[in-house]
Amino acid sequence: DAGITQSPRHKVTETGTPVTLRCHQTENHRYMYWYRQDPGHGLRLIHYSYGVKDTDKGEVSDGYSVSRSKTEDFLLTLESATSSQTSVYFCAISGEGLVSYEQYFGPGTRLTVT
Amino acid sequence: GNSVTQMEGPVTLSEEAFLTINCTYTATGYPSLFWYVQYPGEGLQLLLKATKADDKGSNKGFEATYRKETTSFHLEKGSVQVSDSAVYFCALKRGTSYDKVIFGPGTSLSVIP
Repeated sequence: DAGITQSPRHKVTETGTPVTLRCHQTENHRYMYWYRQDPGHGLRLIHYSYGVKDTDKGEVSDGYSVSRSKTEDFLLTLESATSSQTSVYFCAISGEGLVSYEQYFGPGTRLTVT
Repeated sequence: GNSVTQMEGPVTLSEEAFLTINCTYTATGYPSLFWYVQYPGEGLQLLLKATKADDKGSNKGFEATYRKETTSFHLEKGSVQVSDSAVYFCALKRGTSYDKVIFGPGTSLSVIP
């Protein structure tokens, strides 16, 4: 299994509070991604990173920010959580050495915003 | 643009039945194709992949062949088990490192004893 961990695994928070989710990898891969998974919507890309301090927006980036100060860590922040951000969040990694640059996923974080 | 279409299910099969989950894609160039599996409460796991036309990916009894002429990558297994109950995602990625993976909507499979 690829060395990807996510923390916390479960979180309940109130509307309007800031929340930070962490993704940590031990594979030294260059690319990291944040997705959200919701019934009826499948997987949607929020933000991704192609190197330390290099990030870009995905298809559903509004209300989210990211930071990557080290190769191994990719943080997703909800500045002011809303109920529409209740979801399961997955981190994924990819990089050189993988012939087809396939992605490997973490175990997910279930976030509930009340 | 690039896209992936797959049967959404849910699909319910009896143990030892034959499984086919259809997947077709639209993409420019020569993408790599993948099947991912997601068991309840877990993240997605790469099941198999194919990187060029006529390649066959296989793993754990599952197979899929990259058919460029029909732009398809159907997933098959000859005899499913209860433990195969999961959601299966077809996906594609174009050849460059920075291109994003495009996922299909997922197909839910339930295998009953």
